[in-house]
Amino acid sequence: ETGVTQSPTHLIKTRGQQVTLRCSSQSGHNTVSWYQQALGQGPQFIFQYYREEENGRGNFPPRFSGLQFPNYSSELNVNALELDDSALYLCASSRVAGGFYEQYFGPGTRLTVT
Amino acid sequence: SQELEQSPQSLIVQEGKNLTINCTSSKTLYGLYWYKQKYGEGLIFLMMLQKGGEEKSHEKITAKLDEKKQQSSLHITASQPSHAGIYLCGADIPPISSGSARQLTFGSGTQLTVLP
Repeated sequence: ETGVTQSPTHLIKTRGQQVTLRCSSQSGHNTVSWYQQALGQGPQFIFQYYREEENGRGNFPPRFSGLQFPNYSSELNVNALELDDSALYLCASSRVAGGFYEQYFGPGTRLTVT
Repeated sequence: SQELEQSPQSLIVQEGKNLTINCTSSKTLYGLYWYKQKYGEGLIFLMMLQKGGEEKSHEKITAKLDEKKQQSSLHITASQPSHAGIYLCGADIPPISSGSARQLTFGSGTQLTVLP
């Protein structure tokens, strides 16, 4: 098991609502990334946080936002939820060690938008 | 942008049989990761390959990266029901500049079923 934890495990929201997902990083990892995984697809990169700043974003609209805290934990916020936002949201904590990019994933949060 | 294609999309094998999953990249791979995922759960790290011709093994799973670093294969010997799940390959995309994000681009996965 990795040391990456996510909460909640499952969540059901209504279209138009807002949601916050949480992630605790593996010890020693100072970078957090969020991915969205639709059913039957590979994870898609949403954004990455390093030292509490967003340092990269995939092809996701601004209503997807995040935060990273001094203890490297992180939140993903999604506003104005749409039906297509239904997916498994994965958090990954990472660091570069000896040229090797270590990235470990949490168990995910299953979001259902109705 | 880099794209990864995995084949086959799904695989059903009898317990004890060997199998191979392939991952082909549209560009030269900087690094290639293999993960396993149980349905609806998080990704479990298996192996990471960086050098052309590199081969790594863990228990009954062996992964290789070809010399040109555009294709990787994952081979399972004497499969067991515990090997069942979704296998994902991920390509390491190096940052454009120092301090910018380093992300993984994933294939769409191979669903493996092992029949007892």
